Amino acid sequence: AQRVTQPEKLLSVFKGAPVELKCNYSYSGSPELFWYVQYSRQRLQLLLRHISRESIKGFTADLNKGETSFHLKKPFAQEEDSAMYYCALSGGYQKVTFGTGTKLQVIP
Amino acid sequence: DSGVTQTPKHLITATGQRVTLRCSPRSGDLSVYWYQQSLDQGLQFLIQYYNGEERAKGNILERFSAQQFPDLHSELNLSSLELGDSALYFCASSGWWGTGANVLTFGAGSRLTVL
Repeated sequence: AQRVTQPEKLLSVFKGAPVELKCNYSYSGSPELFWYVQYSRQRLQLLLRHISRESIKGFTADLNKGETSFHLKKPFAQEEDSAMYYCALSGGYQKVTFGTGTKLQVIP
Repeated sequence: DSGVTQTPKHLITATGQRVTLRCSPRSGDLSVYWYQQSLDQGLQFLIQYYNGEERAKGNILERFSAQQFPDLHSELNLSSLELGDSALYFCASSGWWGTGANVLTFGAGSRLTVL
């Protein structure tokens, strides 16, 4: 079975502070990990995926297979980063499992 | 609009009733996914179809059923509705190979309210 855990429902940080949104997963094979974001009044959309190894809007995420984690990080939070963030895992047969989401609130 | 289209946007109905939610995938995408988003529950995977065939099943109730038609649009049928079925139902689609596989494009969702 595949499972994604996001331990924080809400994360509040001040503008300019570092951000780390935690994501842990459980999967017996080699998963593909993603972060999706939902800004207010917008659709859920892909932020980044681990195989791309890229930085999007200043966010990065590294897959740590030893710790089965895929935490999302940004060195300096901006107000426009306030949104709902979902970690997702794709295992076999393209099934995509999402975590419960973390609401990021950036305080001006 | 070549994105994922869901209808209706809002639906209010009574307990015991049956509703059908419709989804048109992004042009060229063969996979369709259905998710339920309830308060504090995050996105719960319901079911996935690929080119008309069921590919994966999640925590979908027996009262719920879905199908994907030859033109690739999908419908989610919810019957014997209960108050707890009130939620936002999302449809998403994905490509079937290469970098597009497993990357979901979401619709705006259908908000179901059961009274």
